[in-house]
Amino acid sequence: ELKVEQNPLFLSMQEGKNYTIYCNYSTTSDRLYWYRQDPGKSLESLFVLLSNGAVKQEGRLMASLDTKARLSTLHITAAVHDLSATYFCAVDSNYQLIWGAGTKLIIKP
Amino acid sequence: NAGVTQTPKFQVLKTGQSMTLQCAQDMNHEYMSWYRQDPGMGLRLIHYSVGAGITDQGEVPNGYNVSRSTTEDFPLRLLSAAPSQTSVYFCASSYFRTSGSSYEQYFGPGTRLTVT
Repeated sequence: ELKVEQNPLFLSMQEGKNYTIYCNYSTTSDRLYWYRQDPGKSLESLFVLLSNGAVKQEGRLMASLDTKARLSTLHITAAVHDLSATYFCAVDSNYQLIWGAGTKLIIKP
Repeated sequence: NAGVTQTPKFQVLKTGQSMTLQCAQDMNHEYMSWYRQDPGMGLRLIHYSVGAGITDQGEVPNGYNVSRSTTEDFPLRLLSAAPSQTSVYFCASSYFRTSGSSYEQYFGPGTRLTVT
């Protein structure tokens, strides 16, 4: 059974700091997705990582995938308040997406 | 394009009642899915479909039925509502390749369901 674990589950940080969210998964997969969810809202796709070594960047967010280590990271550079949200990773497995529990990120001015 | 639409946005049911949550997409996506989101548990897949006439169970299918008569619509039926089904329900759609690997999913706005 595929399991997806995110850590930390909660992160409070100051503006301007850097931090990384980790997503580990338990079985082989070469497709991983990162989503953002604002409180009370739906989910918005951030990154699609389709192969080992894939790296994608959008603004202050950068995601990478290491399929051999079964690990993806979401790195936040010089955080700003607007990035406060819950971030989910999801792994593609046999026609289904299996989701991590989410990382709630609070960025304080 | 309206994207993925869901109705209703909010619903309160009594235990034992049945209802249908509606989901429609106008992007000609083959793949559609239903998730429930509970606090601290991420999203869990209820049912999914890879095309009209084809549906399959996800991680938590008990108490729910689906059908896919058209590419656009994918309704979710609660057969006899229970308090454990209180949750936020999201419908999502995406393109689908025959290899089994899906593209990124686009989500509807969600339905907040309370069962008393």
